[in-house]
Amino acid sequence: NAGVMQNPRHLVRRRGQEARLRCSPMKGHSHVYWYRQLPEEGLKFMVYLQKENIIDESGMPKERFSAEFPKEGPSILRIQQVVRGDSAAYFCASSPQPDNSYEQYFGPGTRLTVT
Amino acid sequence: QKEVEQNSGPLSVPEGAIASLNCTYSDRGSQSFFWYRQYSGKSPELIMSIYSNGDKEDGRFTAQLNKASQYVSLLIRDSQPSDSATYLCAARANYGGSQGNLIFGKGTKLSVKP
Repeated sequence: NAGVMQNPRHLVRRRGQEARLRCSPMKGHSHVYWYRQLPEEGLKFMVYLQKENIIDESGMPKERFSAEFPKEGPSILRIQQVVRGDSAAYFCASSPQPDNSYEQYFGPGTRLTVT
Repeated sequence: QKEVEQNSGPLSVPEGAIASLNCTYSDRGSQSFFWYRQYSGKSPELIMSIYSNGDKEDGRFTAQLNKASQYVSLLIRDSQPSDSATYLCAARANYGGSQGNLIFGKGTKLSVKP
């Protein structure tokens, strides 16, 4: 049973470019969460999605950031016009359902570096 | 702002000793709590989940939850050098429009000395 998959594992972008991060949840999981970890800081929630729905985007910056989880294919976190402060590790986690009894499993992450 | 707080450490214990990691949380609505282990440069790995007051044991790990005190702990018995990592405490959000996502502490760095 494959775990959560993320790609690319490392991404380098120049300031002003777009970054597109992909996440495929574990088999049987339909709920996806994106978290960001800045250097020397804790994990911060960004957005929670189900297939074709954004459930909670309260942790995502209002500008430049967007996320989707289409009916087919992986979830995508898109960052437009990247700035140096966007350099971080972006982790995706998945769970089968959002009930309290379900655990979230993390993918390997995408390390974004903005030059 | 709902928070989870942990001592950042580093916590240093000798090999074979018991390591005790603690965290407190502010969201009284939280019902689920998790401990993740994160090695440097890697992603968080789930170690334990706990939902009810009391203790939950899994191998060398014991999680403890006290909802009245809003306190969660993780004990690691017979600590090994391979346990050296940052341990993240997380509470599942359960307030307003935030239900399902995890609120993480900043982590406690554990070092087990051979």
